[in-house]
Amino acid sequence: DAGVIQSPRHEVTEMGQEVTLRCKPISGHDYLFWYRQTMMRGLELLIYFNNNVPIDDSGMPEDRFSAKMPNASFSTLKIQPSEPRDSAVYFCASRHPPSGQETQYFGPGTRLLVL
Amino acid sequence: KQEVTQIPAALSVPEGENLVLNCSFTDSAIYNLQWFRQDPGKGLTSLLLIQSSQREQTSGRLNASLDKSSGRSTLYIAASQPGDSATYLCAVRRPGGFKTIFGAGTRLFVKA
Repeated sequence: DAGVIQSPRHEVTEMGQEVTLRCKPISGHDYLFWYRQTMMRGLELLIYFNNNVPIDDSGMPEDRFSAKMPNASFSTLKIQPSEPRDSAVYFCASRHPPSGQETQYFGPGTRLLVL
Repeated sequence: KQEVTQIPAALSVPEGENLVLNCSFTDSAIYNLQWFRQDPGKGLTSLLLIQSSQREQTSGRLNASLDKSSGRSTLYIAASQPGDSATYLCAVRRPGGFKTIFGAGTRLFVKA
């Protein structure tokens, strides 16, 4: 298995532009998580999905952030409009169904820089 | 509100030394606690997961303990190696969902 796949790996954009981050979870995993990591705030859960349905989006910082999961093999995190303070590493993770292992498997992350 | 603290923030040890990383959490009502490893520029890799009903878990040279009542967990690394150099994060999952709170991590450097 290729693991969790994220794209792009690096993104540099200007303030005000729309940014879309993509994630492909491990096949057969029914939970998908989006995290943000910064030096100041550490690793924070933004939102998670179960069977493509958003379950908890209380970590989404503002209305500028939105996430979708149109099918079991694809999710996006969109920032519109982007701001310099959104600069961070964004991770996607997925996990087994309840009968399997508990642990989350993380992707390599997307390093976002907003100028 | 659950807060997770890791001490020390950074640690440098000579190869072969046994070491302990500490994690504390403010709310003892947890579902489980997990230790992760993060290499520079990479995602997180799960090392050990301890359910709230368990006291410890072991994997190779790693041993993690959990004392829920005191809000503490330790990660013990035996006979450290340069390849163990990474940041180690502790994460607590709350009951009734998948909300996971992470500590800031301990950056470990093992000198050859």
